[in-house]
Amino acid sequence: DAKTTQPTSMDCAEGRAANLPCNHSTISGNEYVYWYRQIHSQGPQYIIHGLKNNETNEMASLIITEDRKSSTLILPHATLRDTAVYYCIVRVTNTGNQFYFGTGTSLTVIP
Amino acid sequence: EAGVAQSPRYKIIEKRQSVAFWCNPISGHATLYWYQQILGQGPKLLIQFQNNGVVDDSQLPKDRFSAERLKGVDSTLKIQPAKLEDSAVYLCASSLVGRAQFFGPGTRLTVL
Repeated sequence: DAKTTQPTSMDCAEGRAANLPCNHSTISGNEYVYWYRQIHSQGPQYIIHGLKNNETNEMASLIITEDRKSSTLILPHATLRDTAVYYCIVRVTNTGNQFYFGTGTSLTVIP
Repeated sequence: EAGVAQSPRYKIIEKRQSVAFWCNPISGHATLYWYQQILGQGPKLLIQFQNNGVVDDSQLPKDRFSAERLKGVDSTLKIQPAKLEDSAVYLCASSLVGRAQFFGPGTRLTVL
């Protein structure tokens, strides 16, 4: 079962920052938070992951709260190509590093 | 670097027929995963291999689904016999041990 909860859908204006929240209140101390996105008819695409500290790469930033019970994925300047379903996943480490996907957040970037 | 390859991309069969899907992971990735994604849902893990051994197959319907990774590289997922509810996209992913997973494009299966 998924260990995360996310809003079902969100809209964002093109050029603005998209902030996608995720709750993972039962996360364990050694479990990483991963974010993927899935554009229609494609396989999920890796975006970013983190354990405790905030992370940034060329695609996005990941902000993890100090208690690690929630996180936010930030797309700094959303484009139409960022329209996709975004999955927040906790990687379960005690049984072999499996991912359990929820239903994700459907982000629509509006022109 | 080549990504995860899957074939076929699309398959249409009738119920009770058999079907097989093939996956070639990223070179050097010891861990390989098969997922089933039903329309409107997130991917569900079916089976995880590390090299040629099974790590987790707890969600694989073993009465009709089977998977193998004989030489620790390519993998095949088979359904025999197929049911209507098996209509889904079957995704293959690979990773270095304990690292991010990289997904293939998937095989869309339609069972009539």
